[in-house]
Order: sequence, then C-alpha cells, then structure tokens
Amino acid sequence: QSVLTQSPSVSEAPRQRVTISCSGSSSNIGNNAVNWYQQLPGKAPKLLIYYDDLLPSGVSDRFSGSKSGTSASLAISGLQSEDEADYYCATWDDSLNAVVFGGGTKLTVL
Amino acid sequence: QVQLVQSGAEVKKPGASLKVSCKASGYTFTTYYMNWVRQAPGQGLEWMGVINPSGGSTSYAQKFQGRVTMTRDTSTSTVYMELSSLRSEDTAVYYCARVRGGESIAADLDYWGQGTLVTVSS
Repeated sequence: QSVLTQSPSVSEAPRQRVTISCSGSSSNIGNNAVNWYQQLPGKAPKLLIYYDDLLPSGVSDRFSGSKSGTSASLAISGLQSEDEADYYCATWDDSLNAVVFGGGTKLTVL
Repeated sequence: QVQLVQSGAEVKKPGASLKVSCKASGYTFTTYYMNWVRQAPGQGLEWMGVINPSGGSTSYAQKFQGRVTMTRDTSTSTVYMELSSLRSEDTAVYYCARVRGGESIAADLDYWGQGTLVTVSS
C-alpha cells in the first residue's frame, strides 16, 4: 500500500476536464510540497507540477495543481489523446524521512 | 542540455549484487542531489534514496537500509547505485533522477535517466 492514496483509474472524453486526487496525512502532504508526474507507456516519469501548483518550463498550461490540507489534486483541461498516461503524486514524508509516491492513476481518454 | 545516461539492462541471479551507473552531463554535477527510484513491472514508483554528489552523503529509504549503497565519482560526473542480496522482487526498472531545486532532499525531480531494467531470476 502506498502512503499517498490515488484512485487507480479515471476516464474522460476528449476536450473535457478531469481531476486526479491524491490523499495523504499531516506528515506528508499536510506539511510538504506536492509534485505530480506523468509517465507515458515505456517512458521515464516527467515532472508536471512542483511546489503544489507550479509548472516547469515547457509544460502545457492545460495542467494545473492545487492542495488543501492533506489532499492535493491535478487537473487536466482540454483532454487530448496524448494525455493518456499514468499520473503520480509525490512528496516528502516527515515521519518516514523519505520521498513517497502515490500508487498512480491511469488516465484513459475515451 | 541536461542528460542522465544510465548503464544497460542486466540479468542477475538471486543472492547476487547489482551496480547501476548514471552519468550526468549538461550541468554542474556537484550542485544537484541525485535520487534513485525503481518501478517493478506493472507497479508504481518507489523511492530508494538520495546522494549528495558534492560530499557523498546519502539518505536511504528504510526498506533498503543495509542492502543499498549509493556512491559518486566527481571526476566522471557519475553516480552509482549498488543493491545486494538480490531477490526476485527486485526485478524492476531503476531510474536516477535529479532534484530540481539542487542541494536538497525533495520530491521534485526534474530530469530522469532512461531507466535500467534489472531482471533477477535463477
């Protein structure tokens, strides 16, 4: 079981908006920045969002992040087929003294 | 441009040791901490630990304490991850990944190696 909880899968139609959630606790999300990764099939993960809601250079502004308390969310607007991927949240855990990842959410664009 | 190039795929027998390399280029090697993350087939991402390439200090996930060793060679801008007493559950793709913020232990990893597939099988 992952320290951070994500729904295993989500699906939505093209051009729609989808939200992926990540739930944790006071020792991780509640006290540290959340980051989001996109992993395309057979590829290395790619940093999508850092420090809760910041976009690295080159990442489309269709992606956005937010955090409230011990939960965080990744939103993707204007869904495209190329957004089909696995999405992971990650943060530092003060109790475990470790980087922790969510179990991942598989996004299907219908 | 920043590049992390890892060593090639390996097949190991149970009980053996593994050493994966990650050669960095395109930035100042000693000013960015480097992490190792692995991913078992069909599974999620798992953090193994981090090394400070400047002084060589390390921090390991408790799960791997005693079995993992991370080192670096500043002359070649290369970090290494060695895992001992391999078992079938260690079959995974192993990634090195740089901390975006530089000299800190954090979860924002901006550049990743291409991954090294390690298969542990008798």
